[in-house]
Amino acid sequence: DIQMTQSPSLLSASVGDRVTLSCKASQNIYKYLNWYQQKLGEAPKLLIYYTNSLQTGIPSRFSGSGSGTDYTLTISSLQPEDVATYFCQQYNSWPTFGAGTKLELK
Amino acid sequence: QVQLKESGPGLVQPSQTLSLTCTVSGFSLTSNSVSWVRQPPGKGLEWMGAIWSGGSTDYNSALKSRLSISRDTSKSQVFLKMNSLQTEDTAIYFCTITTVLYYFDYWGQGVMVTVSS
Repeated sequence: DIQMTQSPSLLSASVGDRVTLSCKASQNIYKYLNWYQQKLGEAPKLLIYYTNSLQTGIPSRFSGSGSGTDYTLTISSLQPEDVATYFCQQYNSWPTFGAGTKLELK
Repeated sequence: QVQLKESGPGLVQPSQTLSLTCTVSGFSLTSNSVSWVRQPPGKGLEWMGAIWSGGSTDYNSALKSRLSISRDTSKSQVFLKMNSLQTEDTAIYFCTITTVLYYFDYWGQGVMVTVSS
């Protein structure tokens, strides 16, 4: 199995901050990396697919980057509605998810 | 518009079989693939398996021995059956449209399943 490690597990930031979430794979996943946002009591929502492709309807303050084993989700200016848990997911064999980063307001 | 809705029993006894249904609308199961993904309370996500638009299936190797996914295209329904349930199978179970690049772009609301006697 490919293991996905997300850091940090908890992140506190202020409105307007630039926020960076990290995801590291246990082996090369060739950019097959997706990001989801999950708000409390809701289903996950796809934000970014194939490392840096923004899903339709997602605000442009969300962006993704990375290659090999290291990937990043960036929120350019944090908004109150961005409070959520963020999961990365790889597909190089069968899909596996990271444990999530919980983003809260400072 | 695209919709998925999971249904099934909220409570299952240990060692019994779980049967869930995902009823979809706004798209065709012969043109789209559906996965089941579960999430234990307060924990992360686990992909369980998928049924592809052509009808073939793929399963998480950790669950393969006790999991079956099927569909009825005429009723726009996808089914999950998993046997030998244990307390660690307690989770919210989601169905989700799965693309060929294995990202999940539409999700149902999820159904909570508790395994308990």
